[in-house]
Amino acid sequence: ETAVFQTPNYHVTQVGNEVSFNCKQTLGHDTMYWYKQDSKKLLKIMFSYNNKQLIVNETVPRRFSPQSSDKAHLNLRIKSVEPEDSAVYLCASSPALLGQYEQYFGPGTRLTVL
Amino acid sequence: GQQVQQSPASLVLQEGENAELQCNFSTSLNSMQWFYQRPGGSLVSLFYNPSGTKHSGRLTSTTVIKERRSSLHISSSQTTDSGTYLCALELYAQGLTFGLGTRVSVFP
Repeated sequence: ETAVFQTPNYHVTQVGNEVSFNCKQTLGHDTMYWYKQDSKKLLKIMFSYNNKQLIVNETVPRRFSPQSSDKAHLNLRIKSVEPEDSAVYLCASSPALLGQYEQYFGPGTRLTVL
Repeated sequence: GQQVQQSPASLVLQEGENAELQCNFSTSLNSMQWFYQRPGGSLVSLFYNPSGTKHSGRLTSTTVIKERRSSLHISSSQTTDSGTYLCALELYAQGLTFGLGTRVSVFP
């Protein structure tokens, strides 16, 4: 049963546009994540976030930024998309940032940049 | 270099055959998960297994921390097992680090 929800499923846009993806979890978890899966199929962490701490993967360009209104929501904004941003973006959550916890993933948002 | 190495990269099975997927990691870890990735990209968590052996139906996961490896055993494979299997380890508070996956194809 899905407990991590992502919208939209797909998005097609042009270089230079701004896009925003939404993620919501109904598990009551404190920590949420964004991952990117590129054309080579490698999944990489972009952000780890709870209401106290944001951990950013140092390879993530500055045009990417997480936005959170509360611990159940973590959106991803891309200010000015580039062709290399075409990928599947996966949101996940876990009970806490520290400790041994399973992560639960959403269905993903596929972004195509023309 | 890649911290998580999965082997084989791909595997072709006849229905009913067993398979062993390997995951080796080059660093100490906080936790380990195995996922099945559907063709559309969504991830299904198969096991959360930081150590020891766990069973779920026809699947068995074994993680041996000292040897820095984890394995996923599929017994009596079915065509519906076809897809990509990913292992991922969590370093302390750094999110999951994924391998490149093993693509499994099961034919009748």
